[in-house]
Order: sequence, then structure tokens, then C-alpha cells
Amino acid sequence: EVKLVESGGGLVQPGGSLRLSCAASGFTFSSYWMHWVRQVTGKGLVWVSRINSDGYSITYADSVKGRFTISRDNAKNTLYLQMNSLRVEDTAVYFCARELVTKSNRFDPWGQGTLVTVSS
Amino acid sequence: DIQMTQSPSSLSASVGDRVTITCRASQNINNDLNWYQQKPGKAPKVLIYASSSLQSGVPSRFSGSGSGTDFTLTISSLQPEDFASYYCQQSYNTPRTFGQGTKVEIK
Repeated sequence: EVKLVESGGGLVQPGGSLRLSCAASGFTFSSYWMHWVRQVTGKGLVWVSRINSDGYSITYADSVKGRFTISRDNAKNTLYLQMNSLRVEDTAVYFCARELVTKSNRFDPWGQGTLVTVSS
Repeated sequence: DIQMTQSPSSLSASVGDRVTITCRASQNINNDLNWYQQKPGKAPKVLIYASSSLQSGVPSRFSGSGSGTDFTLTISSLQPEDFASYYCQQSYNTPRTFGQGTKVEIK
């Protein structure tokens, strides 16, 4: 079964740091681009960052550029999101997703999400 | 960045109704348009990719159409399990932007 499982969310104070992990199983992790997407409770989906299969091509949303760092360990089948200088507005559920490129690009599957709460 | 605009933002419908959701891109994205379904507390799930291709395992009552800037998701006969939020997403370039979502509620 193709599966993604996020962990590492929690409560952190403004200005603090958190590292999210996304453990992949059931597929050849090192062959796929991976993404992070976040969602404020009751709001829509917002793309955050992506990393290519070997980790050398990375893109960020303007809202997190310079504060968040995406990375991957293909030996451990794990995707990461290091979040520094956290702001109240970063509070959201964070999903990791695989980019499937058969015929066209789409996100499948997604992890179940991990909640990050930034509050004093 | 490419802006994706969905309409309506919410709708009320009954079981058996035909439902149509539209999505407009701020520039030409060819047919690089995906549709996702999300139920409360769950991860999104892809329904349609490349504008009109049905993802494996998705019921045939879901269909998509369009190209360029204007796209449509249609549910031919709404079922109880279809009450959820729906999002379009462009895969033409990065960032892979999403529409703001359409919540389909029970009438």
C-alpha cells in the first residue's frame, strides 16, 4: 500500500521552530517529487514547498521563503520540513503529498496531516 | 503565480442532483488541471487529472472538462458520500496553486 504519514506537529511559540517529517512506504520514494501543502482550519489548500527526486531542485511559496526548509533523506524514505521563525499565521494542518506524473501531474497520495499551532 | 478562481464557493443540492463546479485560471494552462475532493478531517483525494481523466477507483458519475483557462467538474447524480469540499489545482507550473474550494452541502 502506498502511504505517507506525517509527524512532528504541535504547539510552538511565535518565533520558535518545528521540524515536520513525512514517512513514505509502498513505493520507490527516491523516484518522486514531493510537496508540502497546508490548510488553516475551515479554509482552503495552500501549496508550501516542493523538492525534486534527488533533492537538488527546491521551490517555496513566498510566504515561507527564508523561514522554511524542505529536505529529504532517500535512504530513510522520509521528507522533512524545517520551520523556523514561526508566525501565528503559520498555524495550519500540514500535509505532505507525492507528485504522480503518469500522463499528467497530480498529488497522490496525501498524508493524513499534522497540526501546527503557533501561539503564545 | 497562476491564480485559480472557483465558483461557487458553496452550494446546496439534493441526492440525485446534477452538480457543476467551475474553475478559471488566470492564464492559459492547457489541460493541466486537477480536481480533488476533501471530506472533513481527511486528506484531499484526487478525482480528475489532466482536466478530464478519471483517477483509478473514482466513480464514473464524476467528470471533468475544459482547456485553456476554463474548466468544469460535474457530478452527474449526487450521492450522499459526495457531500464534501472540492478544489481545482493547476499543474502547469510551480507553485501548484489551488482554487479556494467549493463546499457541497445537503439541501
